[in-house]
Amino acid sequence: AQSVSQHNHHVILSEAASLELGCNYSYGGTVNLFWYVQYPGQHLQLLLKYFSGDPLVKGIKGFEAEFIKSKFSFNLRKPSVQWSDTAEYFCAAADRGSTLGRLYFGRGTQLTVWP
Amino acid sequence: SAVISQKPSRDICQRGTSLTIQCQVDSQVTMMFWYRQQPGQSLTLIATANQGSEATYESGFVIDKFPISRPNLTFSTLTVSNMSPEDSSIYLCSVGRSANYNEQFFGPGTRLTVL
Repeated sequence: AQSVSQHNHHVILSEAASLELGCNYSYGGTVNLFWYVQYPGQHLQLLLKYFSGDPLVKGIKGFEAEFIKSKFSFNLRKPSVQWSDTAEYFCAAADRGSTLGRLYFGRGTQLTVWP
Repeated sequence: SAVISQKPSRDICQRGTSLTIQCQVDSQVTMMFWYRQQPGQSLTLIATANQGSEATYESGFVIDKFPISRPNLTFSTLTVSNMSPEDSSIYLCSVGRSANYNEQFFGPGTRLTVL
């Protein structure tokens, strides 16, 4: 079965600092990869996704993620964080060949940005 | 993206009782999913609900404990039966959008506390 691991449970940064959140998945086949974000008091929402093509994908609010197949990784980055980026971030993976829609989530990383 | 609502948003229940959570979508969708997020844990898929067929449960989840209904293409319910404190969790429904349903949109969740 697939699994997704996120290396950091809680990251604390000052505004304007650069961000990188690690995500690794374990699955031998082709995968679709996602980052979801949950702002305080809000729904879980899709930040960005990778299905195929350019391994560097850009999402909303200046976030990007890079798929490195050889490392089974899909790290999330942002060059300069803002206080409003304070949220919980979830990495997720799915078997691209499956029609069952099963998503596997990491445990999440709580990001706190100090103004 | 789909607009998804859940009722109730939160509840406090007594041990041994049951609670039914409703999920309503603003458009017709084929597949709906139910997840559980226990405190400090990741999202775990409980079951997939296709309209017109029996729900498909993940390992560790059974129909007697989590019966699901899917009467039409915009609505689903999840019942948490014979509750115990270990069932205290956030329960989320989601819907799949893309052809293989990997890309999912989530409801706001139902926060359940069992005393």
